[in-house]
Amino acid sequence: GEDVEQSLFLSVREGDSSVINCTYTDSSSTYLYWYKQEPGAGLQLLTYIFSNMDMKQDQRLTVLLNKKDKHLSLRIADTQTGDSAIYFCAETYTGTASKLTFGTGTRLQVTL
Amino acid sequence: GAVVSQHPSRVICKSGTSVKIECRSLDFQATTMFWYRQFPKQSLMLMATSNEGSKATYEQGVEKDKFLINHASLTLSTLTVTSAHPEDSSFYICSARPSGRAHEQFFGPGTRLTVL
Repeated sequence: GEDVEQSLFLSVREGDSSVINCTYTDSSSTYLYWYKQEPGAGLQLLTYIFSNMDMKQDQRLTVLLNKKDKHLSLRIADTQTGDSAIYFCAETYTGTASKLTFGTGTRLQVTL
Repeated sequence: GAVVSQHPSRVICKSGTSVKIECRSLDFQATTMFWYRQFPKQSLMLMATSNEGSKATYEQGVEKDKFLINHASLTLSTLTVTSAHPEDSSFYICSARPSGRAHEQFFGPGTRLTVL
């Protein structure tokens, strides 16, 4: 089956950039997503990218996709304390009726 | 736009009872809704896909007689945990896919179920 991996933890200082990475194994991905989850809450869709794109920028967020290496990243510019949360990458694959496969999640801690 | 609500947000029940969780898309119609389960400090596991007007499709290993799903309208899906046991305690999250927008899913705030 599909395997989506993320590093467990990332700590950055307020004002710095954060880069959260995600690797996947199945090359038939169609859309790739980044979701944010705050403690005890549901998931907030941050951004998504179609698999034929290399990059997408949306205000402080930049998504980079390297299909050859099956690597997805989310860069958060000027990280704020309110960005502290768990970030999940997720993917949909051809022929799976848009079911999302989630990564393991990365906890981002923003320090002062 | 694209708001999904869940009710209740938190429920505590005794072992052996049944619990119903509602998932509503507030400002859009959703032909398809999804139910996930999340254990502490873990990722989301898809339990089932709920399609309006038809039977739900369950993922491998999920007991359909234990987790009853009903998607009676384009804005409401319900998950009933029947004869709940302590091992069913978890965070249940639903998501809804807007009709005609197959690549987007919007998530509810989740329901924390504790079975004593």
